Amino acid sequence: LAKTTQPISMDSYEGQEVNITCSHNNIATNDYITWYQQFPSQGPRFIIQGYKTKVTNEVASLFIPADRKSSTLSLPRVSLSDTAVYYCLVARNTGGFKTIFGAGTRLFVKA
Amino acid sequence: DADVTQTPRNRITKTGKRIMLECSQTKGHDRMYWYRQDPGLGLRLIYYSFDVKDINKGEISDGYSVSRQAQAKFSLSLESAIPNQTALYFCATSGTEVAGELFFGEGSRLTVL
Repeated sequence: LAKTTQPISMDSYEGQEVNITCSHNNIATNDYITWYQQFPSQGPRFIIQGYKTKVTNEVASLFIPADRKSSTLSLPRVSLSDTAVYYCLVARNTGGFKTIFGAGTRLFVKA
Repeated sequence: DADVTQTPRNRITKTGKRIMLECSQTKGHDRMYWYRQDPGLGLRLIYYSFDVKDINKGEISDGYSVSRQAQAKFSLSLESAIPNQTALYFCATSGTEVAGELFFGEGSRLTVL
C-alpha cells in the first residue's frame, strides 16, 4: 500500500484558503483517498473522500490529479476553529483491508 | 451520546497486567476496527472485523487480541502489557465497502509503567 507523506505543520490566517498536499506515489488502482480532522482529546473526524478528479462538500474540496500520486485538501476561508491536525489516508478493501495514514499536518490558524 | 463509545478513556497499568479496552457503537455498522496512534506515526491498524464471525489482523497485531461479542461490540485485549504499548487507542466503524470512510470513538489513552 502507498506510503503517505504530508507536511508536518502549516500556519495560516483567518479568512485565507489553506491547501494541504499529501504525496502517495505508489497508490494502487483500488485505493481511495480520505482526509480526516483531529482535535486534541478527540478521535479523527471524516472530512472528505475521493478517487480521482475533484470532490467538493460543504466544508472542503479534494483535488486529485490524473496520476493520483498526490492529493490536496482545500479548506476555504479558514477560521480559528479549523486549528487541528489533518490526516491523509490511503485505503483499499480488495485483497484484504489495508489503511495507511499519513503522520498528520498540524494547521495553526491565527487571528 | 457518542455513536462510538470507548471505555475506559484513560488507564494506567503495570507491565505484565492484562488490559481490555471496550468499544460499543450505535451506528448499526457491521465493520469495526482498532487503531493505535503514536506521536508522529499517524494511526496504525491493529485488528478489524467485517461482521460478528470475522476477525482479521492488521499491520501491528502482535501482542494484541480482539473479541467481537456482537455487531455493536468489539474489544481489544493486551494479554501482558508492556511499556511500548503505551499509546492512544481508537475504535472505529464503517458502514460502507468503500475503504476509508471511518467513524472514530473518542480514544482510550493507555499508559503501561
